[in-house]
Amino acid sequence: GNSVTQMEGPVTLSEEAFLTINCTYTATGYPSLFWYVQYPGEGLQLLLKATKADDKGSNKGFEATYRKETTSFHLEKGSVQVSDSAVYFCALSLYNTDKLIFGTGTRLQVFP
Amino acid sequence: SAVISQKPSRDICQRGTSLTIQCQVDSQVTMMFWYRQQPGQSLTLIATANQGSEATYESGFVIDKFPISRPNLTFSTLTVSNMSPEDSSIYLCSVLSAPGTEAFFGQGTRLTVV
Repeated sequence: GNSVTQMEGPVTLSEEAFLTINCTYTATGYPSLFWYVQYPGEGLQLLLKATKADDKGSNKGFEATYRKETTSFHLEKGSVQVSDSAVYFCALSLYNTDKLIFGTGTRLQVFP
Repeated sequence: SAVISQKPSRDICQRGTSLTIQCQVDSQVTMMFWYRQQPGQSLTLIATANQGSEATYESGFVIDKFPISRPNLTFSTLTVSNMSPEDSSIYLCSVLSAPGTEAFFGQGTRLTVV
């Protein structure tokens, strides 16, 4: 079946550290891939997306590249800030549908 | 973008009762979905709310337990019926203004069943 697996958290980093949150997927066909972020007390927001292989999504210093060969969409940021502390969800949607399949979420905690 | 108002934001309910959650959008949207996030788990799609017709339910979810209404392009309700403690979750409304566009989410309804 279709599924998303992401690394368990919490991920704890010091400010300005490098961030990687791993995400792999299983899907029939060619899904679109997303990272959503949920800041404390707020709803889910789209962070970035990629719709085909080798696409790179980027936003707010975060990047993720759609790797078809490894079925991965790892989230990276070169230098995290305290304000990046949130829960990050990897998700996919199948071709021609807008239903989202989510990973379990990874909590990121950044300390000064 | 779409601004979503979801009510109530939280509730504590007695088992055996029902709760109706409202999702109001500030603009007309094509697609509306309801998700559930159980404690420590990922978001799971419950159903697609279809305007003027019965909702389309995902595997494991049925209309008798989760009746959904969508009378127009800006409003939907999800009812959690005959609740048990296992229904304690966060329920989220999600909308898309058009197919293939960004999905926006409400802030969720945190339901606790005692």
